[in-house]
Amino acid sequence: DGGITQSPKYLFRKEGQNVTLSCEQNLNHDAMYWYRQDPGQGLRLIYYSQIVNDFQKGDIAEGYSVSREKKESFPLTVTSAQKNPTAFYLCASSPFAGTGGIGPQHFGDGTRLSIL
Amino acid sequence: DAKTTQPTSMDCAEGRAANLPCNHSTISGNEYVYWYRQIHSQGPQYIIHGLKNNETNEMASLIITEDRKSSTLILPHATLRDTAVYYCIVRVADTGGSYIPTFGRGTSLIVHP
Repeated sequence: DGGITQSPKYLFRKEGQNVTLSCEQNLNHDAMYWYRQDPGQGLRLIYYSQIVNDFQKGDIAEGYSVSREKKESFPLTVTSAQKNPTAFYLCASSPFAGTGGIGPQHFGDGTRLSIL
Repeated sequence: DAKTTQPTSMDCAEGRAANLPCNHSTISGNEYVYWYRQIHSQGPQYIIHGLKNNETNEMASLIITEDRKSSTLILPHATLRDTAVYYCIVRVADTGGSYIPTFGRGTSLIVHP
């Protein structure tokens, strides 16, 4: 079945360490996204990419980095510069619909990051 | 950018229709309305979207007012498994001219027996 796979489901980090969250999709979607969700809050956009080797900052990109070397993969690195990284991280993808914008987003099941 | 306003919470009896409103009074003519829902600790799930006509699929119906300033998601026969946070979003354009969805806090729907 096609879908988005995020791993790991739970991740623990010591302060000062960088960690990388994996996101893989086999839907052949052009666009991919990373969101952060804090308890009781909506989703905030960290980074997005609409084509391989290109990505743009979202609303809260500070302390995060991404790469898009392959269409199906969009890993997110939470760096030590991110002061409050404990959150639920969601990856999504969507097909590109040309000048009409993008199609519906498909989400993974998320990675819950905690600081030790 | 078009923003949406939704009630913070709603409740509904099992088997009854759940009608979730959304206000998007600043929506542009070429912006779509999308609805997603998120069950606790899972990723959001796409439900339905529309531009100006009413839409129906196996999950729900979407009613968009003629002036497109508001819409209503209808779950015709709510079940306990429909308890979730429901997000109404419109696509917004970034500075590059592409379209990036923005999620607010949504409506927490509780379906009770």
